[in-house]
Amino acid sequence: EAGVTQSPTHLIKTRGQQATLRCSPISGHTSVYWYQQALGLGLQFLLWYDEGEERNRGNFPPRFSGRQFPNYSSELNVNALELEDSALYLCASSRWDGELFFGEGSRLTVL
Amino acid sequence: AQRVTQPEKLLSVFKGAPVELKCNYSYSGSPELFWYVQYSRQRLQLLLRHISRESIKGFTADLNKGETSFHLKKPFAQEEDSAMYYCALSAWGSRLTFGEGTQLTVNP
Repeated sequence: EAGVTQSPTHLIKTRGQQATLRCSPISGHTSVYWYQQALGLGLQFLLWYDEGEERNRGNFPPRFSGRQFPNYSSELNVNALELEDSALYLCASSRWDGELFFGEGSRLTVL
Repeated sequence: AQRVTQPEKLLSVFKGAPVELKCNYSYSGSPELFWYVQYSRQRLQLLLRHISRESIKGFTADLNKGETSFHLKKPFAQEEDSAMYYCALSAWGSRLTFGEGTQLTVNP
């Protein structure tokens, strides 16, 4: 069984640019979650998508947005990048019992 | 609102010693509690969940609703247990909330 896959692995942007991160869930999982893992701050919840709809949103500004496609893959978009957006962005998908399966993450560096 | 607190960012023990990673939560309803682990250069993965009452890799965790705690314990730590451990809480229909994590180091 293929795990959750994320792309790109690394991304370098400059302040003010936009970043797009992608996630493919495990086959059969309909829920996708996005978390930000910044140094020293643990895992901060960003977004939760299920069946193509946004179910919940964390305490992040509107320039963090995303969507889920009909095949349940997902995109996270970060507009007007700021230096503090530099972090590892983790995607996870879940099955019916709530266990999350994580990808390896996309490391975003904002210069 | 749901909240998870892991009071220790760093924990260091010697091989063979008991280890306890603390987790406290706040939630008014009946939560489901998890421990996730991230070994070096591996992805974050589920270690155990309170409803299964399993012992995984020698680790156990008991949900104490009176103290709102879900501490992770192992009687004899091994070097391969060195990792980052996250306690997490899920309320029905809601996303998983993680604590800030505890970096466990088991010294030889």
